[in-house]
Order: sequence, then structure tokens, then C-alpha cells
Amino acid sequence: IAGITQAPTSQILAAGRRMTLRCTQDMRHNAMYWYRQDLGLGLRLIHYSNTAGTTGKGEVPDGYSVSRANTDDFPLTLASAVPSQTSVYFCASSDTSGNTGELFFGEGSRLTVL
Amino acid sequence: GQNIDQPTEMTATEGAIVQINCTYQTSGFNGLFWYQQHAGEAPTFLSYNVLDGLEEKGRFSSFLSRSKGYSYLLLKELQMKDSASYLCAVMDSNYQLIWGAGTKLIIKP
Repeated sequence: IAGITQAPTSQILAAGRRMTLRCTQDMRHNAMYWYRQDLGLGLRLIHYSNTAGTTGKGEVPDGYSVSRANTDDFPLTLASAVPSQTSVYFCASSDTSGNTGELFFGEGSRLTVL
Repeated sequence: GQNIDQPTEMTATEGAIVQINCTYQTSGFNGLFWYQQHAGEAPTFLSYNVLDGLEEKGRFSSFLSRSKGYSYLLLKELQMKDSASYLCAVMDSNYQLIWGAGTKLIIKP
């Protein structure tokens, strides 16, 4: 089934540890995004990539990094996790050449930093 | 700054009609989206409006007034499975999505 796969679905880690959230899509979408979702707040964009080989900063990029080596993969790395990075992380993709550019989301990665 | 406002929570009765409002103030406008998100799940696309007026899709309709910075999502013949959060998002002049915090819709029998 075509779509977006995120891993892990849930993770608890100690503050200061490095963590990479994986995201893979098989829809050949050009654009990919990482959001975090916190209670009472809207989805907030962390980083995005409009095409393979390029990335950009979103609204809340500090403490996170991304890479886009190919069309399908868009990993998000927390270099040194802090408790404020406890959140649900969603990866999404879109075909920006389409009529609406609607986003397709992965199932999310629930991260707890202690 | 850019801002999307929508009610935090609404309650409606199974079989009834509910309207979820969204007002926005953004730097430019390139379309408004509604997404549905069931608890613990990913958001899924419902509708897209870029021109003024009503877009109907089955039991769901979405309305846009660009001059008023206003949209609503209308859900008819409510079913228990419609219990979810509904997210309003606006694409600004830089083609970035600005998201509202979402409206939690509770459906009662």
C-alpha cells in the first residue's frame, strides 16, 4: 500500500541522547515535511524539503536537523534531545505540482524525552 | 503575525448538522485546507478551497470568504465516527501552511 512510513512509532529516551526519526514515502512526491504536534497548539513545521538535495527551516528548527539524499527518505535527527522536544512528530509529503498540494501524513512518532 | 482561529471544542448530536468555523489572518493567501484527525492517528485531507464559495463533498462541505478571512466546515448527518479533531490550515504567500490548533468535535448519541 502506497504511503508514508515512520519509525519508530514510539520512543522514550534520556536527555542528551541522539535520536533519528525515519520517514520513507513511496508516492514519488517531491516535497516532504516534518511537523511536531503538541496539545493545544497547531502543527508546527520543523524542516521541509521541496525536492531531493534541498532542505529548508520551518517555524521551529532549533535542535533538529534533516537530510534529503533521495526522493523517498527524509530523516529527522535530534542531536542532543531535551525534555521540550517531547512531542508527536509527523512526517508528511506532497506533490506540489498537483492541484491542491494536499499533504499525506505518516502515522506519527511519539517521542518522550526524560 | 499570522493567526488561525477555530473553536477548541464542539459537541453535537448524532444525525444532526454542525458547522466548524475558522478565521484567519495571514501574509497572503494561496488556499485553505481542512483536515480530519482521529485521536492517536494522522491527519487526513478533507477539502481545499481557493476561490470564494461552497465546495460540497458528500456529507462534508467547506465554505470560503477571502474578503472576510473566514471559512467553515459543515458536517451533515453526523455519525459517531465523525468524532475527531478538525484542523484548518491556510497556505500563505510563501506557500507555507499555517495551522490552527484544531477543533475537537464530540458526537453524542
